[in-house]
Amino acid sequence: GAVVSQHPSRVICKSGTSVKIECRSLDFQATTMFWYRQFPKQSLMLMATSNEGSKATYEQGVEKDKFLINHASLTLSTLTVTSAHPEDSSFYICSASIDTSNNEQFFGPGTRLTVL
Amino acid sequence: AQSVTQPDIHITVSEGASLELRCNYSYGATPYLFWYVQSPGQGLQLLLKYFSGDTLVQGIKGFEAEFKRSQSSFNLRKPSVHWSDAAEYFCAVGASYNTDKLIFGTGTRLQVFP
Repeated sequence: GAVVSQHPSRVICKSGTSVKIECRSLDFQATTMFWYRQFPKQSLMLMATSNEGSKATYEQGVEKDKFLINHASLTLSTLTVTSAHPEDSSFYICSASIDTSNNEQFFGPGTRLTVL
Repeated sequence: AQSVTQPDIHITVSEGASLELRCNYSYGATPYLFWYVQSPGQGLQLLLKYFSGDTLVQGIKGFEAEFKRSQSSFNLRKPSVHWSDAAEYFCAVGASYNTDKLIFGTGTRLQVFP
């Protein structure tokens, strides 16, 4: 149980285009979903926290107009990288939590974004 | 503010040897603590977690971790490492009581020699 999927697993796009990444909780309803960014050989950086039906809460320094997050249902959250540039190339990982009382998160397999 | 420190950036061990990965945290109350493993290009897999109770926690793949409040540590151990254990290991702490955010350490890369 507690499986989280991401789609696509890998995407290559041209500079200036927008890319949408989906995160789904397959066998549970997620009260909260999180989006992380991971640079090579570095730790996970939390970008934003989203709850179904409400606006995402972005971490300091993360551009909300560049990284659009939509949390349309209890099982789906999307991250759209708008007007992508090469510096946006990274590994994006989502996670979902069932219970807000214990911090346990279930992680997706990640999406490798390469912007040419 | 809460924080997590993993002092060892890179560790190399021989297959069959024992392993201990260090994790120190800074947190005012009893923390929720986690160890995750990340294989190349993959997301994170939960190895084990500590919420309360027995301070020695058993996880998957033969891993265990011990919560030591006096040392603010939650070190990960395995008695005999397998080549497939080569990966990046992350320690994490729950950010605070009323939120489900996690704060991650910088990770320890484990290399296993045959």
